Amino acid sequence: GAGVSQSPRYKVAKRGQDVALRCDPISGHVSLFWYQQALGQGPEFLTYFQNEAQLDKSGLPSDRFFAERPEGSVSTLKIQRTQQEDSAVYLCASSPSREDTQYFGPGTRLTVL
Amino acid sequence: DQQVKQNSPSLSVQEGRISILNCDYTNSMFDYFLWYKKYPAEGPTFLISISSIKDKNEDGRFTVFLNKSAKHLSLHIVPSQPGDSAVYFCAASGGGGSNYKLTFGKGTLLTVNP
Repeated sequence: GAGVSQSPRYKVAKRGQDVALRCDPISGHVSLFWYQQALGQGPEFLTYFQNEAQLDKSGLPSDRFFAERPEGSVSTLKIQRTQQEDSAVYLCASSPSREDTQYFGPGTRLTVL
Repeated sequence: DQQVKQNSPSLSVQEGRISILNCDYTNSMFDYFLWYKKYPAEGPTFLISISSIKDKNEDGRFTVFLNKSAKHLSLHIVPSQPGDSAVYFCAASGGGGSNYKLTFGKGTLLTVNP
């Protein structure tokens, strides 16, 4: 079946622009996660949804980062007033429940100039 | 402070030989450990996992060993194949109510030479 998909795959933004990154999880997966992977680092947890509820946003680096999943399926990660340090690959993962194996999408590579 | 450490950025082995990738952790609350494999321009793919109640888990050519007292785990690939060439991430979870939150190491680039 279809895996996790993310769009766009690549995004270039000028500093100060707002961006929106989309994640389509595997159908029926209750749990959805966002991770940020900086160059040369492993993925770092940003936030977790169970259905439409955002149960953990402890990893969001600043209040410029906002995530939503209004209907419990597709999720959007929004970054306002992007900064150069926001340049990274943003990975989305989903799982059938929160303790199951997380399946990752291909990521969106964000470059802020 | 890194809670999951992969101290070898890269490893090169010959096809058919054993690959051993190592991982250390510092958080004693971690009770579930995973290995993910990542090819360029793709997301991490789950490979194998182990719970802290076990010290070994095997799946085909892949075996993960856990030494809780040393806070160390390793992934063995036998025999190694060129298609195994990828970045391997060690990840851990556990502790309180956030057992869904994966903490990753920086990864080890494995190159298997034909």
